[in-house]
Amino acid sequence: KAGVTQTPRYLIKTRGQQVTLSCSPISGHRSVSWYQQTPGQGLQFLFEYFSETQRNKGNFPGRFSGRQFSNSRSEMNVSTLELGDSALYLCASSSRINYGYTFGSGTRLTVV
Amino acid sequence: AQKITQTQPGMFVQEKEAVTLDCTYDTSDQSYGLFWYKQPSSGEMIFLIYQGSYDEQNATEGRYSLNFQKARKSANLVISASQLGDSAMYFCAIPPTGNQFYFGTGTSLTVIP
Repeated sequence: KAGVTQTPRYLIKTRGQQVTLSCSPISGHRSVSWYQQTPGQGLQFLFEYFSETQRNKGNFPGRFSGRQFSNSRSEMNVSTLELGDSALYLCASSSRINYGYTFGSGTRLTVV
Repeated sequence: AQKITQTQPGMFVQEKEAVTLDCTYDTSDQSYGLFWYKQPSSGEMIFLIYQGSYDEQNATEGRYSLNFQKARKSANLVISASQLGDSAMYFCAIPPTGNQFYFGTGTSLTVIP
């Protein structure tokens, strides 16, 4: 079956712009989580959605937001981009609470 | 709060040899799971192995096995017969309630031919 699909794979944006990243989970998976990965901070949890509701949120500013659609696809939005937002953004889906995630290949965002 | 510690930033192993990647954790949960993921240079996180805190036997998945020592709060990953394709970053992770994974800082493994 198809894995977790993240689009786009690479993105270059300018400071102050906004960006939207997309994640399509594995069919049947209702939980979608987002992580930011940087060399300095490692993997940090952004938020988790389940059945279109945000169930958990990490310690990120309000510029980072997300949503989930009825088909479980999720989008993540970052407004007023800063240089420090340059990172690999990983999406993961799961079919059970506290069960292993299946990750996508990530979107590598570069802010210049 | 949960915390994962991986003390080996980089490891080298000869092809076909075994290697152990260390992971210690701290959690107040009575029931929890430990996960190991592999991240090659492509960026994708690949699930390797899982161990539940109440599992009697150490988990094994092909060439991967977990050396789980609950009293020491340690869950080391053992990779047997290393292959060149094993060169990657390896992350230990623990999910507390709420479906939010905590990841360690990772260990970079390089397999030498």
